[in-house]
Order: sequence, then structure tokens, then C-alpha cells
Amino acid sequence: AQSVTQPDIHITVSEGASLELRCNYSYGATPYLFWYVQSPGQGLQLLLKYFSGDTLVQGIKGFEAEFKRSQSSFNLRKPSVHWSDAAEYFCAVGRMDSSYKLIFGSGTRLLVRP
Amino acid sequence: GAVVSQHPSWVICKSGTSVKIECRSLDFQATTMFWYRQFPKQSLMLMATSNEGSKATYEQGVEKDKFLINHASLTLSTLTVTSAHPEDSSFYICSATRIDYEQYFGPGTRLTVT
Repeated sequence: AQSVTQPDIHITVSEGASLELRCNYSYGATPYLFWYVQSPGQGLQLLLKYFSGDTLVQGIKGFEAEFKRSQSSFNLRKPSVHWSDAAEYFCAVGRMDSSYKLIFGSGTRLLVRP
Repeated sequence: GAVVSQHPSWVICKSGTSVKIECRSLDFQATTMFWYRQFPKQSLMLMATSNEGSKATYEQGVEKDKFLINHASLTLSTLTVTSAHPEDSSFYICSATRIDYEQYFGPGTRLTVT
């Protein structure tokens, strides 16, 4: 069965520090992979996605993610965190069929220390 | 582009009544729309998938008679929670897809059943 694991429920980093949010997936083939951010009162916003090609994906707001097939991982990174990055981050895997369904991880809440 | 709206953003209703939530794709025609439910501090749980003009496909464990979904057009889907009970209180989120496979999320609707 397909699944997505985000092992860190909360992460706290200081402003200006680097960030890495972990995501592991279970899927029978190469999946479509996504990272979304959810801020209070706002809908989910797509940060980046991986379908194929270059395994290092650049997204919005300075985020990037690297697809590692051997580790079934798609970790999200940012070299320097800003206070406005505090939010909930969700990793998701998309089924490679016509259903377009997404399976979400449990989310990681990012707290940023001033 | 690719904006999805939901209405209302929050609603309070009495137990036993029904409430309708609208999801609209404002600037594109959505091939498919999805409805999710999110409990506090938890991930998104897919409830159902709807395509314009056809019956919604519900995920296992979701009561189709309680959560009625109508996809009237390529830009509008509605979720009606029938005979609502306090346990139906939740955050309901819709999303819409175009042919590029990406899901665009609405801001969500907070339902409180008293």
C-alpha cells in the first residue's frame, strides 16, 4: 500500500539557520512527489513537485527537495529559514494513474525562533 | 492563476441539520475535484473524488449518504453534510485539478456542529 511518512512532528529552528524536513514514501513505482505548506487560515500551497528528470527540484520561497530513489525519500531543504516560514509542511505522493489522488504524510510543524 | 475558492469559510450549525459547502475553480476548468477532511493537528484525509457529471467516488469508510457530493459543472463542486452531528465538526478542504496533474487547494471550511 502507498504511504508517506514524515517522522518529525515538530521542528524548531532559529531564524537564518538551515532546514531539512524529512519525507519517506512507500510506492510500487516512481511516484509523483509533492511538498505543500499550510499556513493558518490559508489553503495548501504547493512548494515544489517531482515527476521525473533532475532529482534535485527547486521550488518557491527558496525551498528545494531531492528525490533519492534508493532511500525512498524526498526531503525538503532551505538554506536559511525566515520567520515567515513557520507553518505546517506536508509531503504527498501522487498515484501515477488517472485518479490524480494524493496521499499525504502526517505533516511537520515548523517553529522558527527569532 | 489556478485559484480555488470555498464558501463558506466557516459555518456553525445545529445537530441534525444539513450544511452545504461550495468549492469553485475561479479561473480554470477542473477535470477533477477532491474533498478532504482535516482534524486538528492532523493530516488531510481524502474523502471523495468527483468528476463533472458523474457520481463521486468515495474512499473506504466514508459514508456516502452523509457526505453528499455534487459536481454540477467544471468549476463547481458541493459537499453537503447531512444530518450533521458534533463528530462531523472538522476542517473540510477541496482541491481541483487541471490536466497538468497538479492539485490546487481551496482555503478550507471550518464546520462546527453544536
